This record gives sequence, structure tokens and C-alpha cells, in this order.
Amino acid sequence: GAVVSQHPSRVICKSGTSVKIECRSLDFQATTMFWYRQFPKQSLMLMATSNEGSKATYEQGVEKDKFLINHASLTLSTLTVTSAHPEDSSFYICSAMGQGARPNTEAFFGQGTRLTVV
Amino acid sequence: GDSVTQMEGPVTLSEEAFLTINCTYTATGYPSLFWYVQYPGEGLQLLLKATKADDKGSNKGFEATYRKETTSFHLEKGSVQVSDSAVYFCALSDRFNDMRFGAGTRLTVKP
Repeated sequence: GAVVSQHPSRVICKSGTSVKIECRSLDFQATTMFWYRQFPKQSLMLMATSNEGSKATYEQGVEKDKFLINHASLTLSTLTVTSAHPEDSSFYICSAMGQGARPNTEAFFGQGTRLTVV
Repeated sequence: GDSVTQMEGPVTLSEEAFLTINCTYTATGYPSLFWYVQYPGEGLQLLLKATKADDKGSNKGFEATYRKETTSFHLEKGSVQVSDSAVYFCALSDRFNDMRFGAGTRLTVKP
């Protein structure tokens, strides 16, 4: 299957700083990437969908200025948590789908990032 | 680490057929278990979940029972419809509350 690499796997940052999470498709061109967040003891919540070269489409209730998503190339999407606060502490995971991924209608997941804001 | 092994696809069924998608897990402790569905071009949607042994999750005619003795969480539906065509992901939430996914199983239902 296709490989999606997400980095970092764990990060601790101070309140008020910004954190960037990268999601890379290693062996296929990811035309679409999804970013999810998981709250403790709950299921995943879709935050946004990004298509390469376009602005991300955010789900209702997700702050666009807080969670900046960039999908500038077919192999890389980034999620930046700006001015992080303790309530942003969570597990973030990306998934990618696109050309070259077989079958190309399936999404492949990154390893996830555990963000802790102190 | 904790992991999920999911039945490989693709799976092709006729409408009204019975569906089973197998899922087994390896985990330290007692994870929560989930089934997610992804329709073409869309993000994941939670289909059902179970948080402890012997719990049965159900939704839209789909069911899965948390079997601790066999470390399984197989997805079943008695009569599939064309609209059930999608990719199904089994997942667990481990002791750190991080989500681990199976590889996904693509289901195609033909009229």
C-alpha cells in the first residue's frame, strides 16, 4: 500500500507558540488530504479537507485562523496550530489519497501526532 | 505497539447479500474499537464503536461486537445495499488515546 509519513509523532510546546505538523505522501501524488483531530475517549473529528493548490475546506466549528492548512505540493500538506493553548492538546492525524495510490479511492493514514501544550 | 489487522479487499457483493469484514487487534490493555466508513471523495465518518468487552456497536444496519477472547471486532450487515459501497476502516484507540487504523477494505455492492 501507499505510504504516508506524518511528522512529528509527538510534540510538546509552550502555550502561545505555534506548531507545524507535516504530512507527506512518499510514493504517490496526494491530490486530496484530510486532517483529523481526536478528543480524549472520542472518535476522530474531520477538521478540514485540502486539495493540492486550493484553499482547504474546513468543517463547521473549526477555526481557520487557528488551524492553518497548506497543501502546496502533491506530496506535502502541513497543519499549523497557531498560538497554541492547552485545549489544543490532542491527537492529530492526516490521511491522503490521490494518483498513484492503489486503489486510488482509498485513503492512507499518517502515524498521527500527539500534541501537548503546556 | 497496538495494531489492527483488517481483512483485505476488495469485497464485491450483490445487493441484499450478507456482509462480514474481519478485524482483529493487538493491544496492551483495553482499547476502544471503531469502524469508520469513507465514501468516495469524502473524509471518514464514524460508523460504530464499542468501548469494552462484549459491547455491541450498531448503526445503519451494521453491527460489530467487541470480543476480548478472540481480540476481534468483525463488522457485519445482514443485507447490503448499493449505497453501502465505500471503504471501511477498523480502528482502535490505544492506551495513549492515539488512533490506530487497519488498512481499509473496499466494498462494492452491485445491483
